[in-house]
Amino acid sequence: EAQVTQNPRYLITVTGKKLTVTCSQNMNHEYMSWYRQDPGLGLRQIYYSMNVEVTDKGDVPEGYKVSRKEKRNFPLILESPSPNQTSLYFCASSGSWSPFTYEQYFGPGTRLTVT
Amino acid sequence: GNSVTQMEGPVTLSEEAFLTINCTYTATGYPSLFWYVQYPGEGLQLLLKATKADDKGSNKGFEATYRKETTSFHLEKGSVQVSDSAVYFCALSNQAGTALIFGKGTTLSVSS
Repeated sequence: EAQVTQNPRYLITVTGKKLTVTCSQNMNHEYMSWYRQDPGLGLRQIYYSMNVEVTDKGDVPEGYKVSRKEKRNFPLILESPSPNQTSLYFCASSGSWSPFTYEQYFGPGTRLTVT
Repeated sequence: GNSVTQMEGPVTLSEEAFLTINCTYTATGYPSLFWYVQYPGEGLQLLLKATKADDKGSNKGFEATYRKETTSFHLEKGSVQVSDSAVYFCALSNQAGTALIFGKGTTLSVSS
């Protein structure tokens, strides 16, 4: 089954404790992206990757890191989490991305709480 | 840059009622337009899309028409069901084609 998986689905942590949220897709997609969803703000892009070893910042990259060592994986790293990073995080992938035909497949989400 | 505005919710309807969720956009060029749906506790799923002016996207009884003259992509369904209760997002790609830009979402609640 074609899918995007994320782990963990739920995480409660404390300020400053490094954490990684994993994302994996089995569709051989080149493009992957991370979004965060906050009430009243919708979804905002954190980072994206156009291919292995190619990553770039989205609209809200502060406090996050990513890596793309393999095509299927795109982990999101919070080196020193803070309470304002409490949010619902979604990973997405796309096999085709141009400005005119752009469709993404989303993972189930990771709900992160930083106390 | 490209942007999208969709109507605020929540929208509360009775089963079999007619649904409209308004979406307007601002864009350079002619981006594809999308409606995504998020069911409780799940990720976003593509509901329908339209890739050029006057195209009509449709799926599961939902429809939306890409209107260039009014820069709109309103979502409609003739008869909603309780199972349609979800959050609906209008979206389009950014100018660089590196991200989807989402509206803030409209929560639909359908009661029997």
